[in-house]
Amino acid sequence: DAKTTQPNSMESNEEEPVHLPCNHSTISGTDYIHWYRQLPSQGPEYVIHGLTSNVNNRMASLAIAEDRKSSTLILHRATLRDAAVYYCLQGDSNYQLIWGAGTKLIIKP
Amino acid sequence: DTGVSQNPRHKITKRGQNVTFRCDPISEHNRLYWYRQTLGQGPEFLTYFQNEAQLEKSRLLSDRFSAERPKGSFSTLEIQRTEQGDSAMYLCASGNNYEQYFGPGTRLTVT
Repeated sequence: DAKTTQPNSMESNEEEPVHLPCNHSTISGTDYIHWYRQLPSQGPEYVIHGLTSNVNNRMASLAIAEDRKSSTLILHRATLRDAAVYYCLQGDSNYQLIWGAGTKLIIKP
Repeated sequence: DTGVSQNPRHKITKRGQNVTFRCDPISEHNRLYWYRQTLGQGPEFLTYFQNEAQLEKSRLLSDRFSAERPKGSFSTLEIQRTEQGDSAMYLCASGNNYEQYFGPGTRLTVT
């Protein structure tokens, strides 16, 4: 079973920020938090990862709770091309990732 | 850099036949992963290589499945005596550290 829990789906308006939540209450001290997304008919795409501190890259920001039991992926300005299934995962030392069903993000024009 | 490539992209086979898929990772990546994905689900881990060594294999993986990565470059995944339940998308990913880069997948249909 997946170690993380996410909402099944979320909707957002184009050009607005999107906050995708994830709970990982069983995370260990050495597990990283990873986010991937999968567009229709494509393989998953790496988005971002982090351990304790908030992280930013060109695609998104990752906000990690102080107790590390939850995190939020932030898309600062959603476009129609961001419509995808977003997966939140916690990774062990061998980087074996256990995937859940993810959150289907719907962007409304 | 052309990214991770997988061949074939689609495979239709009859139950009981053997199939083999190929994955060509990004050249500088030493880690290679195989996953299986069915409709509406996230990818399911199958196995993982560090260079040519197969370091982990899912306990859920049947003995009919075998993977190799000779010389630590490309990898093959073979399924023997295919069953209808093997129908799925088979994904390959490569990476060095915390990031995994996925190929487009091979869609297997067992009739």
